[in-house]
Amino acid sequence: EAGVVQSPRYKIIEKKQPVAFWCNPISGHNTLYWYRQNLGQGPELLIRYENEEAVDDSQLPKDRFSAERLKGVDSTLKIQPAELGDSAVYLCASSGRTGYNSPLHFGNGTRLTVT
Amino acid sequence: AQKITQTQPGMFVQEKEAVTLDCTYDTSDQSYGLFWYKQPSSGEMIFLIYQGSYDEQNATEGRYSLNFQKARKSANLVISASQLGDSAMYFCARPGAGSYQLTFGKGTKLSVIP
Repeated sequence: EAGVVQSPRYKIIEKKQPVAFWCNPISGHNTLYWYRQNLGQGPELLIRYENEEAVDDSQLPKDRFSAERLKGVDSTLKIQPAELGDSAVYLCASSGRTGYNSPLHFGNGTRLTVT
Repeated sequence: AQKITQTQPGMFVQEKEAVTLDCTYDTSDQSYGLFWYKQPSSGEMIFLIYQGSYDEQNATEGRYSLNFQKARKSANLVISASQLGDSAMYFCARPGAGSYQLTFGKGTKLSVIP
């Protein structure tokens, strides 16, 4: 099966500019996650979707971050305006079932650099 | 919020030798299992192995095995017969109380020496 696909692979923008990341999960996976991974750290959850519903967005900085998952498949994560501290790798993951023992399947990530 | 600790920022292992990567968690809730992921330089997080907290036998997947010790709140990853391709960052992760959110440790960078 095809894995989780993310684009772009790299993005360099100036601060205060907007940026968007796209994710296509594994076919049939209803649960989709966006994680942020800062340099030298493990990933941290930003938002979790069950189909098209955002069921956990408690750690999403809603003043500048937004996400959507139209039709319960692809998802887009947006930052507007970007700040220097947003430089990180943004990882999308999907899971085929809901449960504490469900492994997440990650994409290659988008490495964002804000200058 | 729970904390996942990986005390080894970096590890070296000789090719074909076994290596153990440490992981501990600090919550008293023993309901949840633990995952291990591998992150090569390409950036993708690759699922390696999972063990549920109530599984009686330690999980094994090929050359990977998980040494889960609930009393010590630890779940160490053992990689047998290391290969050059095993060089990567390794992260352990565990769900939080009542949440599907995985909390990750800071990772251990494994370098396999030929």
